[in-house]
Amino acid sequence: AQKVTQAQTEISVVEKEDVTLDCVYETRDTTYYLFWYKQPPSGELVFLIRRNSFDEQNEISGRYSWNFQKSTSSFNFTITASQVVDSAVYFCALSEAIGTASKLTFGTGTRLQVTL
Amino acid sequence: NAGVMQNPRHLVRRRGQEARLRCSPMKGHSHVYWYRQLPEEGLKFMVYLQKENIIDESGMPKERFSAEFPKEGPSILRIQQVVRGDSAAYFCASSAALPWTSSGELFFGEGSRLTVL
Repeated sequence: AQKVTQAQTEISVVEKEDVTLDCVYETRDTTYYLFWYKQPPSGELVFLIRRNSFDEQNEISGRYSWNFQKSTSSFNFTITASQVVDSAVYFCALSEAIGTASKLTFGTGTRLQVTL
Repeated sequence: NAGVMQNPRHLVRRRGQEARLRCSPMKGHSHVYWYRQLPEEGLKFMVYLQKENIIDESGMPKERFSAEFPKEGPSILRIQQVVRGDSAAYFCASSAALPWTSSGELFFGEGSRLTVL
């Protein structure tokens, strides 16, 4: 069965600090996708990144970066120079095949609080 | 997540009433997924539908919950005889191409928040 663990329930940082959100996953599939979503206080889900299991290159997008390590089944997310607007709940998710489509298994989320 | 429309955004029901949540997928999308987010928890898969077909309903509670995606019109998640434990945010997502292709992506709506009094 698929499982996604986000061990950090809540993190508080001061603005401009760097912060890393951890994500560890379990799957028996050899082909899968990993995702990160942001859920701000307004409640919608904002897609951040999708990474397939064959691409272990780290990715950087502005202040965001992702470290995918298949050997440790981890897909960690780092925010550099955090800002108050980064305050949100962040979810890591893993796709599972349903025939030829897929469904997502979400972690329980990490609540990030960035203060001035 | 632009384009997946869910309504109502907020719904209040008393115990025993019925709740109907609607989801219009993005234009051109034929795959719809429903997820439930209980307070302070992550999202849990409920059901995956294609037009007129339920493909996977492994996450649906066995009783009182049903979903459909008719040939015409939005997908409907129906909860009969609601109880307080049904209070949650219900998210709909849609996709076009199969997710294993390079263009496949899941787009989420803004959610419908059900409160059962």
